[in-house]
Amino acid sequence: GQNIDQPTEMTATEGAIVQINCTYQTSGFNGLFWYQQHAGEAPTFLSYNVLDGLEEKGRFSSFLSRSKGYSYLLLKELQMKDSASYLCAVTRNTGFQKLVFGTGTRLLVSP
Amino acid sequence: GAVVSQHPSRVICKSGTSVKIECRSLDFQATTMFWYRQFPKKSLMLMATSNEGSKATYEQGVEKDKFLINHASLTLSTLTVTSAHPEDSSFYICSARDPAGNTGELFFGEGSRLTVL
Repeated sequence: GQNIDQPTEMTATEGAIVQINCTYQTSGFNGLFWYQQHAGEAPTFLSYNVLDGLEEKGRFSSFLSRSKGYSYLLLKELQMKDSASYLCAVTRNTGFQKLVFGTGTRLLVSP
Repeated sequence: GAVVSQHPSRVICKSGTSVKIECRSLDFQATTMFWYRQFPKKSLMLMATSNEGSKATYEQGVEKDKFLINHASLTLSTLTVTSAHPEDSSFYICSARDPAGNTGELFFGEGSRLTVL
């Protein structure tokens, strides 16, 4: 099976930086995704990591350590519209490479 | 990016009836689609993998006779909730992977909110 854990909720202030952590345990690891989901909407793709290190994309960065089974999503210069759920998901190199999601983190950005 | 469309976006039905939800890949062919279920304020739970031309693969604990999945073509998968009950009320989301994509990301449909009275 797979265990993918994230903090349930986080709060931060507009303009600040927030780091959302994700830990996972899985065999045949084949990549980790971060998705953003606003309430009542479909998830949208943010980032993908398969090798160790940091991937930067504008205000968002994602880090992966395969040996530690750990990833984080870093959001800089927070905006009110960043209030959403952030979902960490892991894929394995077996079968249909299905994506299994973590528990999700609800982020609330306040003025 | 690739587009996945889901229909209907909202459906209300009476207990005991069946409801069909469609998932289409609009600009690419998808031999595999994934169906997820999401409860309020919870993450996405994978229900099954839909395979074009063959039987779906269900996750542990998901009743295949209750959630019928058909993948009749390379652009269409359907999920039918049979004999729906109030506990089946949920947000159902389909997704597919564009074979031409670089990262293997999944593209999601808009989701279908089912309410069973």
